[in-house]
Amino acid sequence: DADVTQTPRNRITKTGKRIMLECSQTKGHDRMYWYRQDPGLGLRLIYYSFDVKDINKGEISDGYSVSRQAQAKFSLSLESAIPNQTALYFCATSDPNRDRGNEQFFGPGTRLTVL
Amino acid sequence: QQQVKQSPQSLIVQKGGISIINCAYENTAFDYFPWYQQFPGKGPALLIAIRPDVSEKKEGRFTISFNKSAKQFSLHIMDSQPGDSATYFCAASIEGSQGNLIFGKGTKLSVKP
Repeated sequence: DADVTQTPRNRITKTGKRIMLECSQTKGHDRMYWYRQDPGLGLRLIYYSFDVKDINKGEISDGYSVSRQAQAKFSLSLESAIPNQTALYFCATSDPNRDRGNEQFFGPGTRLTVL
Repeated sequence: QQQVKQSPQSLIVQKGGISIINCAYENTAFDYFPWYQQFPGKGPALLIAIRPDVSEKKEGRFTISFNKSAKQFSLHIMDSQPGDSATYFCAASIEGSQGNLIFGKGTKLSVKP
């Protein structure tokens, strides 16, 4: 079984709809992240959480919100989706107490298309 | 400045050749420099990482060269293989703190047979 899972893997929606992307992990890590990937722009951080009670905005948080329901679950919401939110979204986890420090473990991604 | 600048954006190499991807950073507080490899349809995965106390780290065919004075680091893939075809991201962070990974924009590598 994958350590970091994302649902759905693909989603097509319409402008103005509310969308939730979900991430679950079995690695026991406290830190979780949401990124979006666009061609030529790399990976940009949307939100991150260092524990259940800690939520922080990343580089591009406008238009997004998150919820950390438990150590293992971190959800990303688009309250009113717009076409320029069409992208590949990744969830990641990390544990700074590990030997490899800031290594992040990524999920398989969710491809979101907003029409 | 928090940027990490990566070049080239794309790279085509013949099988058996050397692939070289370069990154430059501004923040001298960065002390952890990983490279991530991403295959189509997959999430990125850590390939190799270096800390600034060494100038080079080698793992198999993959080598990171690090130049602290120039604030640059590069990934060298020796004897490149078609299976190395992927997108590569460099990144930088301040290890052990709340500093997050700052990613470069990625390099799409194609290794031709």
